[in-house]
Amino acid sequence: NAGVTQTPKFQVLKTGQSMTLQCAQDMNHEYMSWYRQDPGMGLRLIHYSVGAGITDQGEVPNGYNVSRSTTEDFPLRLLSAAPSQTSVYFCASSGDRVGEQYFGPGTRLTVT
Amino acid sequence: DQQVKQNSPSLSVQEGRISILNCDYTNSMFDYFLWYKKYPAEGPTFLISISSIKDKNEDGRFTVFLNKSAKHLSLHIVPSQPGDSAVYFCAATTQAAGNKLTFGGGTRVLVKP
Repeated sequence: NAGVTQTPKFQVLKTGQSMTLQCAQDMNHEYMSWYRQDPGMGLRLIHYSVGAGITDQGEVPNGYNVSRSTTEDFPLRLLSAAPSQTSVYFCASSGDRVGEQYFGPGTRLTVT
Repeated sequence: DQQVKQNSPSLSVQEGRISILNCDYTNSMFDYFLWYKKYPAEGPTFLISISSIKDKNEDGRFTVFLNKSAKHLSLHIVPSQPGDSAVYFCAATTQAAGNKLTFGGGTRVLVKP
């Protein structure tokens, strides 16, 4: 099992560019989510999905889009990158146990 | 306003001694709490959890204590080992919200040999 995988590991964007952060899991988990980690602020929930075709907003959704066409994949799209989106992004998936999430290794994004 | 706070950004402890990490929350609806551990350049990994119906949960060297009246929980690591050096995040949720976690800011622990 690869668990949760994320690509790319690092990315530098210019302001206004768009990109998609990829996330995949092979554990057949229904629940998937995206977090961003900023210094001193812990992890903040961006978007989440409780199953294929179902997504919802988290705490900080502005500037990000998601879709969930399959159980395995949950990409995060930045439509027009801003310096405030410089962060480390983590994808996670979860099975039946409340709150216990499996995290990917993260994508470090810098927007200049 | 942060609903989950870890007021100590860092903690240094000698190998073999106890590490105590603290976490406070403000939302009285939270009824399930978790601790995650994170090494550099890796994603967080689940460590231990506690439901609000309990006041203590133990797993090996790790014990979490919950004081609902004070809206406070703590993680004890005994004895601390160099491999415990990491950032620890406290997280909270409700049984209804399930996987929608609210995280604290993290505490960086350094265990000195």
